[in-house]
Amino acid sequence: GENVEQHPSTLSVQEGDSAVIKCTYSDSASNYFPWYKQELGKGPQLIIDIRSNVGEKKDQRIAVTLNKTAKHFSLHITETQPEDSAVYFCAANAYDLGNEKLTFGTGTRLTIIP
Amino acid sequence: DAGITQSPRHKVTETGTPVTLRCHQTENHRYMYWYRQDPGHGLRLIHYSYGVKDTDKGEVSDGYSVSRSKTEDFLLTLESATSSQTSVYFCAISELAARNTEAFFGQGTRLTVV
Repeated sequence: GENVEQHPSTLSVQEGDSAVIKCTYSDSASNYFPWYKQELGKGPQLIIDIRSNVGEKKDQRIAVTLNKTAKHFSLHITETQPEDSAVYFCAANAYDLGNEKLTFGTGTRLTIIP
Repeated sequence: DAGITQSPRHKVTETGTPVTLRCHQTENHRYMYWYRQDPGHGLRLIHYSYGVKDTDKGEVSDGYSVSRSKTEDFLLTLESATSSQTSVYFCAISELAARNTEAFFGQGTRLTVV
């Protein structure tokens, strides 16, 4: 099955600086790579996703890049703000007997230092 | 927010007792999932359902069973709770279309087995 590795597990950055979180995946059949943000006491929420037919996608201060050859994808947050502090999860889809499901990374706790 | 309700939100139970967690959705989504979240492990899939009465195992299914008798309800049962099942449990839903596999998560259920 699919295996997703995520690094780093914790990340602290000064407010206004950039943050980068990296993930690798194992199944070459995976073609959908979402990123979820989890705030304290809440369920994860999708913030951005990328499909295998593109190499980069941006949404305001957030961007995701995908390298299919190397099987890795990254989340980039620019001009970080205190409200960016949260746990971030990457994920990749996997197919099991025709059914599609998500495999998640282990999460990165991002802390923005004012 | 997607219409997902988990109940109960918190539960403390004794080792060896049965426990049932409920996930209710109002979105009419086909897929429903149960994940558990533990420090250092991220989100791990327990069971999922791809339709009424159609369920399958995830990566950490031992000790858990599920049922889906209606589109809107997905039940997770711990037949005989153990301390290793102390965790935060999240239900998620998704509706697979050709280009959209976003998963929406509930608020979570914190289960403590003593």
